Amino acid sequence: NAGVMQNPRHLVRRRGQEARLRCSPMKGHSHVYWYRQLPEEGLKFMVYLQKENIIDESGMPKERFSAEFPKEGPSILRIQQVVRGDSAAYFCASSPEGWTDPSEQYFGPGTRLTVT
Amino acid sequence: AQSVAQPEDQVNVAEGNPLTVKCTYSVSGNPYLFWYVQYPNRGLQFLLKYITGDNLVKGSYGFEAEFNKSQTSFHLKKPSALVSDSALYFCAVKKNYGQNFVFGPGTRLSVLP
Repeated sequence: NAGVMQNPRHLVRRRGQEARLRCSPMKGHSHVYWYRQLPEEGLKFMVYLQKENIIDESGMPKERFSAEFPKEGPSILRIQQVVRGDSAAYFCASSPEGWTDPSEQYFGPGTRLTVT
Repeated sequence: AQSVAQPEDQVNVAEGNPLTVKCTYSVSGNPYLFWYVQYPNRGLQFLLKYITGDNLVKGSYGFEAEFNKSQTSFHLKKPSALVSDSALYFCAVKKNYGQNFVFGPGTRLSVLP
């Protein structure tokens, strides 16, 4: 059973371009979470999605950031018109439907976004 | 609001010596507390958790942590450090409802041979 997959692992974008980060949850998992890790900081929750629904986006910046988790395919975190401050590691985690054990949130290896 | 503090950016310890990585938290209600480890260019790996029950919890790789409600602390410990324990350690808290975690800023552990 493959773990949580994220691609690309490294992404370089110029200021003003769009960044698309993909996350494929573990098989059988229908909940996806996105976190951002700025340099020398801990992870900050961004958004929690279930299939086709955004459940909690309280950590998402109000502008330029969006996330989706379609019925088919990976979850996508999209950052429009990137700025240097968006440079960070973005981690995805997934958990099974109806999970009750909070430790059952498995993390992917992350995508490191660098904005030049 | 929930918050987690890890007062030390860096902890250095000699191989074979005991190690402690500190964590204090603030949350209303009963907390779920976690420790994760992050190796270079890798995602977070779960180490251990406290939900309820015994205050001393044992986890992976010989790590343990002690929940202290009066001091709102959840320090990570290991009796004898290994060089391979060198990594970034994150403490996290989750409310007993809701699905997202709040992570501390991390503590970099260096175990010197």
